[in-house]
Amino acid sequence: QQQVKQSPQSLIVQKGGIPIINCAYENTAFDYFPWYQQFPGKGPALLIAIRPDVSEKKEGRFTISFNKSAKQFSLHIMDSQPGDSATYFCAAIGWERGSTLGRLYFGRGTQLTVWP
Amino acid sequence: DSGVTQTPKHLITATGQRVTLRCSPRSGDLSVYWYQQSLDQGLQFLIQYYNGEERAKGNILERFSAQQFPDLHSELNLSSLELGDSALYFCASRGDVSYTFGSGTRLTVV
Repeated sequence: QQQVKQSPQSLIVQKGGIPIINCAYENTAFDYFPWYQQFPGKGPALLIAIRPDVSEKKEGRFTISFNKSAKQFSLHIMDSQPGDSATYFCAAIGWERGSTLGRLYFGRGTQLTVWP
Repeated sequence: DSGVTQTPKHLITATGQRVTLRCSPRSGDLSVYWYQQSLDQGLQFLIQYYNGEERAKGNILERFSAQQFPDLHSELNLSSLELGDSALYFCASRGDVSYTFGSGTRLTVV
């Protein structure tokens, strides 16, 4: 059972375009939503994250939009560049009953290609 | 450099063999998480350790085991390897909220 659903699986945009990656979740116990960027042969690296009491967060060209009532969140990349070509994972952190340690649940990933 | 160290970077072995993957968490982090990444399954959580104790298990096969040592480094042992075990194996450590990943071990079973 996929706790975090991510779409699309792949995305191709022209340089300067605004790719949008969408994610949805069901578990209302999730309380932290990070996005990871992964280049080939590298580990996932934290890109930006948001808590559910915030509707939008911007860091540079990356923006997370969060809709708590719909249990959806998305990543927008403004003025995309070829160097942004990577796989992007949305994720959610939840705490299982009785545990003091969070667990990270990943979406399936979106392979983004930005053409020059 | 993320601060999470994984060795070796690449490993090629034959079916039926056993291998050990090693992870050192970031300085000060007590937790270690292991993930398997394959093309068709994405990032799958395997197991979690905190200060030497196993705290959660995910989709980890019985042929796989792990431990975290007193110096907090962790080892993932994979035995009776099958072709389908070929994948990238990542470990991560967690500080306050965010998780930091190592660069992974690429395992190829031939």
